[in-house]
Amino acid sequence: AQTVTQSQPEMSVQEAETVTLSCTYDTSENNYYLFWYKQPPSRQMILVIRQEAYKQQNATENRFSVNFQKAAKSFSLKISDSQLGDTAMYFCAFIPVGGSQGNLIFGKGTKLSVKP
Amino acid sequence: AAGVIQSPRHLIKEKRETATLKCYPIPRHDTVYWYQQGPGQDPQFLISFYEKMQSDKGSIPDRFSAQQFSDYHSELNMSSLELGDSALYFCASSSWGRSSGQASDTQYFGPGTRLTVL
Repeated sequence: AQTVTQSQPEMSVQEAETVTLSCTYDTSENNYYLFWYKQPPSRQMILVIRQEAYKQQNATENRFSVNFQKAAKSFSLKISDSQLGDTAMYFCAFIPVGGSQGNLIFGKGTKLSVKP
Repeated sequence: AAGVIQSPRHLIKEKRETATLKCYPIPRHDTVYWYQQGPGQDPQFLISFYEKMQSDKGSIPDRFSAQQFSDYHSELNMSSLELGDSALYFCASSSWGRSSGQASDTQYFGPGTRLTVL
């Protein structure tokens, strides 16, 4: 079975500082995609960043970057220069490539609070 | 850019009633997914459709059914509602990888329908 684990239920960070959210996953697949989604208090699910498993280069989107370690099955999210609007629940998600299965498998989430 | 549209945004029903949730995917997206998110939970996959055919099935109760129509919009029908069905229901859409013949990678979510069963 494929699983995604987020070991930090809650985290907090001061505005303008950097924070890293952890995610590990378990799969026997060799090709897959990994995502971080953000869910603010409005509960909208917003795509933050995507990583393709066959790419060694870590994905970056403005203040958001990932540290993808395929052998360790680790996929952490780093938020630089944290802003109050980054306060949200962050979900790590996995999807294998191939076949008809296309549903995302989510971790339990990490609640991030950015403090002024 | 156009996003996924869901209606209604909020719905209140009594136990044993029925509910229909609608989803309009991003234009040119041919794959639709339904997820259920209970309070304090991560989203759980219910069912998906590609080109109007069911492509995958998750933990969807037998009381629920869904379909995708010729214009690619999808409806989730829920009957004999129970208190435990109270949740946020997301629809997400993506485009199937036509060259690879594989499920596409990125799913874009709608704003969700908040269902409350009293």
